[in-house]
Amino acid sequence: DVKVTQSSRYLVKRTGEKVFLECVQDMDHENMFWYRQDPGLGLRLIYFSYDVKMKEKGDIPEGYSVSREKKERFSLILESASTNQTSMYLCASSLWVAGANVLTFGAGSRLTVL
Amino acid sequence: AQRVTQPEKLLSVFKGAPVELKCNYSYSGSPELFWYVQYSRQRLQLLLRHISRESIKGFTADLNKGETSFHLKKPFAQEEDSAMYYCALSGRSNTGKLIFGQGTTLQVKP
Repeated sequence: DVKVTQSSRYLVKRTGEKVFLECVQDMDHENMFWYRQDPGLGLRLIYFSYDVKMKEKGDIPEGYSVSREKKERFSLILESASTNQTSMYLCASSLWVAGANVLTFGAGSRLTVL
Repeated sequence: AQRVTQPEKLLSVFKGAPVELKCNYSYSGSPELFWYVQYSRQRLQLLLRHISRESIKGFTADLNKGETSFHLKKPFAQEEDSAMYYCALSGRSNTGKLIFGQGTTLQVKP
């Protein structure tokens, strides 16, 4: 019962290419997130969205943009990929449960920029 | 500034030994604290949250506001506990924004 689906598990791109990472959730969650996961740095929030067409910057938004045209879909865009964007990207959505938000994560998209 | 610190990158113990994964936080206000776990080749998933005061898979965590800590403990480690553990903090809002620590790899040796 997969609930958060990331379209690509592995991508290899060249410096300067435009990259789209897609995420779809089927749980009707309001909030969606993009994190990047790097060894020794943990998870760092890139962008999040709390409603359709609404977005807020996270801690490391530089070099990224996002799009949320439909409630179930949240896309991460790298306008011009660079080698320092090589990372694992995790999408998540959240539900408010008993006074706290619980995040459900996708399987991740491992991006390599050459 | 909001921050979560996990001082240990790697914690290695033998099966049956007690485990304590440390987590310290910095937050002005009353935070919600969580532990997430990622087993090998699996998705990151919620282990437990302080608001529930629950024990999951034998793990417990107590929020100590005086020491701003939320350490994860288990009295007897099992090999299947080997995983990456992340401590996370959220403010009291419904946006769900979580701040994560650097993560600690727990290795339980037979």
